[in-house]
Amino acid sequence: EAQVTQNPRYLITVTGKKLTVTCSQNMNHEYMSWYRQDPGLGLRQIYYSMNVEVTDKGDVPEGYKVSRKEKRNFPLILESPSPNQTSLYFCASSFGTGPIGNQPQHFGDGTRLSIL
Amino acid sequence: GENVEQHPSTLSVQEGDSAVIKCTYSDSASNYFPWYKQELGKRPQLIIDIRSNVGEKKDQRIAVTLNKTAKHFSLHITETQPEDSAVYFCAASTWSGGGADGLTFGKGTHLIIQP
Repeated sequence: EAQVTQNPRYLITVTGKKLTVTCSQNMNHEYMSWYRQDPGLGLRQIYYSMNVEVTDKGDVPEGYKVSRKEKRNFPLILESPSPNQTSLYFCASSFGTGPIGNQPQHFGDGTRLSIL
Repeated sequence: GENVEQHPSTLSVQEGDSAVIKCTYSDSASNYFPWYKQELGKRPQLIIDIRSNVGEKKDQRIAVTLNKTAKHFSLHITETQPEDSAVYFCAASTWSGGGADGLTFGKGTHLIIQP
């Protein structure tokens, strides 16, 4: 089954304790992205990657890191989490671009992070 | 960067009536406009998208229109049903040839279908 898998689905942790949210896709997609969703603010892009070893900042990258060592994986790293990073996080992937432009993005089921 | 405004934030319609959600964007280079539906506690799911070389696209009860000159696009749902109740997000993106920019989302519209 074609899917984007995020882990963990839920996490409660404390300020300053490094954490990683994993994202994996099995569709051979080139493009992967992380979003955070907060009430009243919609979805905001954190980082995206157009291919292996290529990453770029989105609209709200502060406090986050990513890596793209393999095509299928795109982990989100919070080196020193703070309460304002409490949010619902979504990973997404797509075939990226082609002759007809952007391709639809497929979202994972989300990770709800609570930073105390 | 791109800015996407979405209206209304909440829309309540009677079952069977039509619903229209509108979005405006700021970057004239944007050329891809998807719409996502998000049910409570679930992931956003693509319901329809349109590219800048097309003015309108339909898929059964759902249609999207794009006005590039005015930089706005709209989602139209006809014959609404209870299962249409959800939050709907519009988004805009640019493909510059060297690769895709990220999606910029509107803040969402909570669509409520009244029985």
